[in-house]
Amino acid sequence: GAVVSQHPSRVICKSGTSVKIECRSLDFQATTMFWYRQFPKQSLMLMATSNEGSKATYEQGVEKDKFLINHASLTLSTLTVTSAHPEDSSFYICSAAVGLGDGYTFGSGTRLTVV
Amino acid sequence: QQQVKQSPQSLIVQKGGISIINCAYENTAFDYFPWYQQFPGKGPALLIAIRPDVSEKKEGRFTISFNKSAKQFSLHIMDSQPGDSATYFCAASTGNGGATNKLIFGTGTLLAVQP
Repeated sequence: GAVVSQHPSRVICKSGTSVKIECRSLDFQATTMFWYRQFPKQSLMLMATSNEGSKATYEQGVEKDKFLINHASLTLSTLTVTSAHPEDSSFYICSAAVGLGDGYTFGSGTRLTVV
Repeated sequence: QQQVKQSPQSLIVQKGGISIINCAYENTAFDYFPWYQQFPGKGPALLIAIRPDVSEKKEGRFTISFNKSAKQFSLHIMDSQPGDSATYFCAASTGNGGATNKLIFGTGTLLAVQP
């Protein structure tokens, strides 16, 4: 089946530094990928929709300058958390639609801890 | 109108019992309703999905019941096992689950199956 690979699985960084998270579709092309944020015991909150070759679409309240999204190819989207702060600590998950009517596949998530 | 309401928040079921989780929506444009299972520290995995042209779909021990007029759908897990203990999310989207249509998630149900 369709697989979305997400790396790293966990990362610890210092306040003020930037962290990049990669999301790859391994056996299919994804013109659109989605980035979610999940706090403990809460639901997934959509942050942005990543479109190959164009600018990402951010959900209301999400700072586009803080959460930089790049979708440079049909198999890779990246999320960069810039100038990270402890409140950015969270579980970040990407997903991609496999195809019309075939549903969405999710990555395994990245646990970001900012110290 | 974009919300998907999910209940209960948590559920305890004895091994071999039936687990039932309910969701309700308002947006009649939704036409794809998946259920996801998430284990701690992992991304969500698609369990089963339904479209509004059918009232029920069964895959193994998992069944979705869909009531279009009431704008409700539910997940039934038959013969629940301890390995089913996880968080379950319902979701909905427009565009038949297509590549560019975002998923709206319910709030999640933490299921514990006691041996």
